[in-house]
Formats: sequence, structure tokens, C-alpha cells
Amino acid sequence: AQSVTQLDSQVPVFEEAPVELRCNYSSSVSVYLFWYVQYPNQGLQLLLKYLSGSTLVKGINGFEAEFNKSQTSFHLRKPSVHISDTAEYFCAVSLQGGYNKLIFGAGTRLAVHP
Amino acid sequence: GAVVSQHPSRVICKSGTSVKIECRSLDFQATTMFWYRQFPKQSLMLMATSNEGSKATYEQGVEKDKFLINHASLTLSTLTVTSAHPEDSSFYICSALESGGWEQYFGPGTRLTVT
Repeated sequence: AQSVTQLDSQVPVFEEAPVELRCNYSSSVSVYLFWYVQYPNQGLQLLLKYLSGSTLVKGINGFEAEFNKSQTSFHLRKPSVHISDTAEYFCAVSLQGGYNKLIFGAGTRLAVHP
Repeated sequence: GAVVSQHPSRVICKSGTSVKIECRSLDFQATTMFWYRQFPKQSLMLMATSNEGSKATYEQGVEKDKFLINHASLTLSTLTVTSAHPEDSSFYICSALESGGWEQYFGPGTRLTVT
């Protein structure tokens, strides 16, 4: 079975500072990896995904993530955050090979302060 | 493109009544739709997978007689919470998988409050 661990439940950061949201996964088979963002009382929006190829993945809103197979990690980073980045961020995995259901981490609340 | 809507966005109902939530894919056909439940400050928990024209597949621990799912067309799935109780109060989110695709597109969610 697959599982996802988001190591930080909350990450406070000042505006224009860099941020890293950590995600580790566990799986005995190859997986696809995703980061989603959820703004208050809204659904999820896909930030970026890793399916194959380059381990550095760039997404929307200036976010990027790096897949590290040896460390089973998929940390999300942004070099300079904005107030508008304040939201809940979810890491998720699914099995490779066609479509499979998403397994979500517990989420990380990013709070950007002025 | 790839827009999913949910209706209603918020609903308040009395304990013991039933409430229906609709999930629509507006600009694509979705053979498969998913229903999630999210408690405050928690992650999404998959409740069931809905396939057009067939019975839904429920996750372990989800009561299929309480959470009725119907996926009658390629653009519409409904979740009916029957005999709702206050503990059913939650944020319900659907997603849709474009036919032949792999990416789930999420709806904006429905806030259910049972009084």
C-alpha cells in the first residue's frame, strides 16, 4: 500500500522569503506524484506533477518540486512567496500504469505574513 | 477547459432528512468521478469511485446505503446523503477523470451542515 507523509502541518513564512514544503512517500512500486493547492472553502487545484523524466518539475505560480527516488521525497519549493500563496497544500501519489486513485497527505498550511 | 462544478455550494438540512449534491463536468466527458470528504483542517478521504452506467465502488468503512451515488451520464454524478445526522456535516468534494485521461479535475466543494 502507498502512503504519503507531509512532515509539517503548518509553515509560517514572511512575504518574499523562500519556502519548502516537505513530502515523503512510501510505496513498493513506482508512483506518480502530485502537489495540489486548496484555498479556503474551495476545491483542489493541481500545482504540478511528476510522471516521468526530469526530476525537477516546474508548476504554476512559480512553484517547483524535485523528485528524489532514493529518499522517496517530493518536496515543494518557491523562491519568493506572496501573501496570496497562503493556502493548504496537499501532496498526493497514485500508482503508475494507467489511472489509479490518489492517496493524499495530511496537508501543510502555508501562512505568509507581511 | 476541464471545469467541474458542484451544486449546491452550501446546504443546511435537518437531522433525518436527505440531501443531494450534484457534480458536473462542464466541458468534458467523465467516465469516472470521485467523491471525497474533508473534515476541518484535515486531508481529503476518498469515499467512493463512480463509474458511468455502473455501481459505485465504495472505500472501506463508507456506508453505501447512507451515501448513495448515481452516475447516470458522462457529465453528471450525484451523491445523496440519506437520513443525515450532525456527524455527516463536512465538506464534500468531487472530482472527474476525463475519459481516456489520467488527471482528476476537482469541483469547488459543497459544505453540508446538518442541524
